[in-house]
Amino acid sequence: DAKTTQPNSMESNEEEPVHLPCNHSTISGTDYIHWYRQLPSQGPEYVIHGLTSNVNNRMASLAIAEDRKSSTLILHRATLRDAAVYYCIASGTYKYIFGTGTRLKVLA
Amino acid sequence: GAGVSQSPSNKVTEKGKDVELRCDPISGHTALYWYRQSLGQGLEFLIYFQGNSAPDKSGLPSDRFSAERTGGSVSTLTIQRTQQEDSAVYLCASSSPTGQVNYEQYFGPGTRLTVT
Repeated sequence: DAKTTQPNSMESNEEEPVHLPCNHSTISGTDYIHWYRQLPSQGPEYVIHGLTSNVNNRMASLAIAEDRKSSTLILHRATLRDAAVYYCIASGTYKYIFGTGTRLKVLA
Repeated sequence: GAGVSQSPSNKVTEKGKDVELRCDPISGHTALYWYRQSLGQGLEFLIYFQGNSAPDKSGLPSDRFSAERTGGSVSTLTIQRTQQEDSAVYLCASSSPTGQVNYEQYFGPGTRLTVT
């Protein structure tokens, strides 16, 4: 599993898009890129995952660099309920290594 | 449907006492995980169950920590002779493996353990 690097914190205005970056320069070819988020006083929840191609779901989009050494989680319109710690994980197995993540603050 | 549940939600214990933390995974999920989250930190992997077997116990921090799973369902994490550094939120997750090596994990709300 690859080590990931994320900014400690980011801010966004409500209803604006947010781009959360993640570096995983040592990722292997079989490692998936997963994103989870943790709201205050809750367990983490799944956001999105991908391998090589960009992915979209109802929560977010995941843009994966062509060399797969970085990825970006995109929240298209941030709401106050999106304020959370966002974790990027690069893993090819069940074992997830959670870093300290990015704390997203959404301003009203 | 019902998610992952954990009990108790909070536990305060004296140093040196034993504690048991319980996890009820989502019905039908064969994989179960325990993590620990200290204040302001990311999650630390403790142990992984597939069915009732624990093929990976590599994250258990000491022999004071043990876990079991019965009937392919409920799991108990036991900490013996608790120490103050054991204070943390203990999170349980479950997943249902698919054909791909990608296990979306569903987390419970955690048990906050405080050792005084």
